[in-house]
Amino acid sequence: DAGVIQSPRHEVTEMGQEVTLRCKPISGHDYLFWYRQTMMRGLELLIYFNNNVPIDDSGMPEDRFSAKMPNASFSTLKIQPSEPRDSAVYFCASSSTGRGAGANVLTFGAGSRLTVL
Amino acid sequence: GDSVTQMEGPVTLSEEACLTINCTYTATGYPSLFWYVQYPGEGLQLLLKATKADDKGSNKGFEATYRKETTSFHLEKGSVQVSDSAVYFCALSFHSGNTGKLIFGQGTTLQVKP
Repeated sequence: DAGVIQSPRHEVTEMGQEVTLRCKPISGHDYLFWYRQTMMRGLELLIYFNNNVPIDDSGMPEDRFSAKMPNASFSTLKIQPSEPRDSAVYFCASSSTGRGAGANVLTFGAGSRLTVL
Repeated sequence: GDSVTQMEGPVTLSEEACLTINCTYTATGYPSLFWYVQYPGEGLQLLLKATKADDKGSNKGFEATYRKETTSFHLEKGSVQVSDSAVYFCALSFHSGNTGKLIFGQGTTLQVKP
């Protein structure tokens, strides 16, 4: 498996523009998480899905942020309109339930670095 | 609420020195504990984990023991290498209903000099 795939790896945009970040989880994983990493706030959980259904979005900072998971192999995180304070690295991670050695362990993607000017 | 506190970095060591990164947690139940490592420009990778009290997780020469009495999970390595330079995150999770949902500490940057 290629692991968790995120795109784009880097995005530079201007304030007010729409930003869409994409994630492909590991095949067979039933949980998907979006995290944001900044120097000031560290790693923050934004939202997570189980079997494509959003379970907890209490970490989503405001209505400008939205996330979808239309199927088991794809998720998006959208910011509209974007603001400079949204600049961060956004990580997607997935995990699986079960009893195997890798169960309940998050596998992270390489991240999408967003810069809003 | 549940939280994780790590020692502040950066930690700078010479090659072959001993490493300890302190981690303590606050939790209402009995969480699983993890150490993740983040190399420059990459995502986080699981380094080791422990799921119950007195368990010892180990990997790549790193070790950490789940101490319920002190609510700690300190990361140790007897002899660090330059390639260990990275950011280390301590984290906890509860399995029930939140599989894989992690609460992270702030991270500790380790720099190992030749």
